[in-house]
Amino acid sequence: DTAVSQTPKYLVTQMGNDKSIKCEQNLGHDTMYWYKQDSKKFLKIMFSYNNKELIINETVPNRFSPKSPDKAHLNLHINSLELGDSAVYFCASSQGANNEKLFFGSGTQLSVL
Amino acid sequence: GQQLNQSPQSMFIQEGEDVSMNCTSSSIFNTWLWYKQDPGEGPVLLIALYKAGELTSNGRLTAQFGITRKDSFLNISASIPSDVGIYFCAGQYSGGSNYKLTFGKGTLLTVNP
Repeated sequence: DTAVSQTPKYLVTQMGNDKSIKCEQNLGHDTMYWYKQDSKKFLKIMFSYNNKELIINETVPNRFSPKSPDKAHLNLHINSLELGDSAVYFCASSQGANNEKLFFGSGTQLSVL
Repeated sequence: GQQLNQSPQSMFIQEGEDVSMNCTSSSIFNTWLWYKQDPGEGPVLLIALYKAGELTSNGRLTAQFGITRKDSFLNISASIPSDVGIYFCAGQYSGGSNYKLTFGKGTLLTVNP
């Protein structure tokens, strides 16, 4: 049983398209996150939701819109994709918004052509 | 914002050797963590440290929370091929409502059998 699962694993698309990445966790956690890992492997938080409420919103273009339909799901929709959006996007979860023990998904590698 | 300097950036070692890597911060943290990322996967928590001076082991891994609260160290003894991956330090300062983790840029470890 995968604890934090995200789909798709790979996403190749053209500039200007709109795409979504889905994430689900079966750990019973109440907090979920989206991280972006760039080509230099730097991990940076984008968003965090606690009990479906947005609690962290870093300086991310508003083309990125997260949605949390329930505690177990956090999806990421990206409009008008740009070349610079190419990266690996990781979903993660934790029990509690101040819990440093994150459980990560295996990532979605997004390539914008 | 807080910045973490992680070194070395990469290491190439022979199987059986010991490894040391460290992380320094421009400001203090309440919690230090070490994560490992295998190729094609998300980071996995290895060790969490909560007190200045704390020394914690997890098998062949030992990590320390620096007494200044601005640094942390990770040692791996008797390395084996499956130790290959990227090791990330992360710090958290849980002051006010800011519980965000700040990640270092990672140390890429290669172990030659």
